[in-house]
Amino acid sequence: NAGVTQTPKFRVLKTGQSMTLLCAQDMNHEYMYWYRQDPGMGLRLIHYSVGEGTTAKGEVPDGYNVSRLKKQNFLLGLESAAPSQTSVYFCASSSTEGMNTEAFFGQGTRLTVV
Amino acid sequence: QQQVKQSPQSLIVQKGGISIINCAYENTAFDYFPWYQQFPGKGPALLIAIRPDVSEKKEGRFTISFNKSAKQFSLHIMDSQPGDSATYFCAASNFNKFYFGSGTKLNVKP
Repeated sequence: NAGVTQTPKFRVLKTGQSMTLLCAQDMNHEYMYWYRQDPGMGLRLIHYSVGEGTTAKGEVPDGYNVSRLKKQNFLLGLESAAPSQTSVYFCASSSTEGMNTEAFFGQGTRLTVV
Repeated sequence: QQQVKQSPQSLIVQKGGISIINCAYENTAFDYFPWYQQFPGKGPALLIAIRPDVSEKKEGRFTISFNKSAKQFSLHIMDSQPGDSATYFCAASNFNKFYFGSGTKLNVKP
């Protein structure tokens, strides 16, 4: 039972380079999220999706784009990486069924922009 | 503007002691208040959660106390163990949109 899987786990980028982070979930969840985690700032929501084909901005969306072409996948793109985007990125998913709205997290992607 | 404020940033407790972490929120539309536990190199995992229609929820050594009028909630870890050493995040949610506190790094000394 894989849950939420993030690819890659580590990446080093040069300023200005682009990359895509992939998130896949096998729980048939409607909601998917991208967070970034920085020391002393907790988890901040970048973008989220309430279903296939939908995306919405979170708290810190600038510099990122997302796509949800398939229900099980949520992609996070950095078009032109900046050192300020050095962070640990977490993908999560949650179900809309019943009263349990637990968010399940992936293992994280540690991104360094030099 | 941070939706959920969490304190303290770090906490050192002796084995067997009580760990207390506090959170406060402003948005009265939040209807779900989970606590997540994160170990180094891992993603956060749900520890315990509460809805605003109850004032307390207990699961084993972990208890959430919820004060709706004060818009505050707290996590109490009784008989803290070295294995509880981790970072704890409170969160508040409405319509499956989660806002997290800044985290508390707990160190339980043997």
